[in-house]
Amino acid sequence: DTAVSQTPKYLVTQMGNDKSIKCEQNLGHDTMYWYKQDSKKFLKIMFSYNNKELIINETVPNRFSPKSPDKAHLNLHINSLELGDSAVYFCASSQVPGGGQPQHFGDGTRLSIL
Amino acid sequence: AQSVSQHNHHVILSEAASLELGCNYSYGGTVNLFWYVQYPGQHLQLLLKYFSGDPLVKGIKGFEAEFIKSKFSFNLRKPSVQWSDTAEYFCAVNPLNTDKLIFGTGTRLQVFP
Repeated sequence: DTAVSQTPKYLVTQMGNDKSIKCEQNLGHDTMYWYKQDSKKFLKIMFSYNNKELIINETVPNRFSPKSPDKAHLNLHINSLELGDSAVYFCASSQVPGGGQPQHFGDGTRLSIL
Repeated sequence: AQSVSQHNHHVILSEAASLELGCNYSYGGTVNLFWYVQYPGQHLQLLLKYFSGDPLVKGIKGFEAEFIKSKFSFNLRKPSVQWSDTAEYFCAVNPLNTDKLIFGTGTRLQVFP
């Protein structure tokens, strides 16, 4: 069974559209994250939730809105997509909060904006 | 600002060659340190981690890393690489008592048979 699963794996859409990426983990972890990996492979944290509560919110445009309906799910909704949003988005989870915990990553969602 | 530097952007080796990938970080306090690997088309996986104790840590698949506090470094090593080690390698640093994991820009390793 996949520990951290993201859907969709690929997402191609036009500028200005609104899209969502879903993430689910079956590890029983309390903390979940969203990362953005740009074309140069640079990986940067966007958000972190612990037990449905937001604990990290990096400098991300407010077009990006995470939602955690329960601690096993952390979805990412993006409004008014822009060309610069093209990237691979990774979801991750860890047992407890704190960047010191090993994180388990999903397979990524490759978002391409036309 | 806290940052992680991986100076080797792209490394090309033949099988059985030895590997050392550099990682330096800028943070004066205590840190937890990680190396993650991303095989082509796959997600990141933890290779090894350092929290405290013996500065030489061993990870999966024959990898090891040495934490040198005075040099703010956490270099990754493997005595003899295999073709299957072809991947992107990321160093990551967690300043203690923060929730952040700061990644380096990654090193692409290509191993040829």
